[in-house]
Amino acid sequence: SQTIHQWPATLVQPVGSPLSLECTVEGTSNPNLYWYRQAAGRGLQLLFYSVGIGQISSEVPQNLSASRPQDRQFILSSKKLLLSDSGFYLCAWGRGRDEQYFGPGTRLTVT
Amino acid sequence: KNQVEQSPQSLIILEGKNCTLQCNYTVSPFSNLRWYKQDTGRGPVSLTIMTFSENTKSNGRYTATLDADTKQSSLHITASQLSDSASYICVVSPTNRGNEKLTFGTGTRLTIIP
Repeated sequence: SQTIHQWPATLVQPVGSPLSLECTVEGTSNPNLYWYRQAAGRGLQLLFYSVGIGQISSEVPQNLSASRPQDRQFILSSKKLLLSDSGFYLCAWGRGRDEQYFGPGTRLTVT
Repeated sequence: KNQVEQSPQSLIILEGKNCTLQCNYTVSPFSNLRWYKQDTGRGPVSLTIMTFSENTKSNGRYTATLDADTKQSSLHITASQLSDSASYICVVSPTNRGNEKLTFGTGTRLTIIP
């Protein structure tokens, strides 16, 4: 069966510090991978998606970036965090757009 | 603009009671509609998925309905349990090929009290 992992589970970072969140998927190959952000009281916002290694599509202009160095690894990064980057970050995988399975999430607090 | 609106924003009911959550969408045409359950601090988990041609789909005590003409869906929970306390999110997929964006509702926060 397929599983999706995210780490860390929680993170507290000062403004201006770098960020690296990691997501890995097990039990499948060549999945579509997604990064979402969920702000309090708001719906999930798609940040990036990837259909293959090195292929990244950005949905929202921001100071975040994503990379896919391996088939089942998806990384969300920032060089300098802003207060507005606080939120709950979710990674998801799927075989197609209509089929998405979410990871456990990372709670990021920027202070 | 594709939108998904859910109501109510929050709901509190007694354990054992039934409840119905609503989802109205403007996504058109659309491929399918999903209901997710999201426990606090966890990722969403899919409950049901319906294509535009389906009217109802059940998953245990959860029953989703879809009216594609009025662009409305509902999620009915019967005999609620404390573990049903969570946010319930309605998600609609457009049919645009190559468009990877789903449209998410902001969710209904359901609290079951003993």
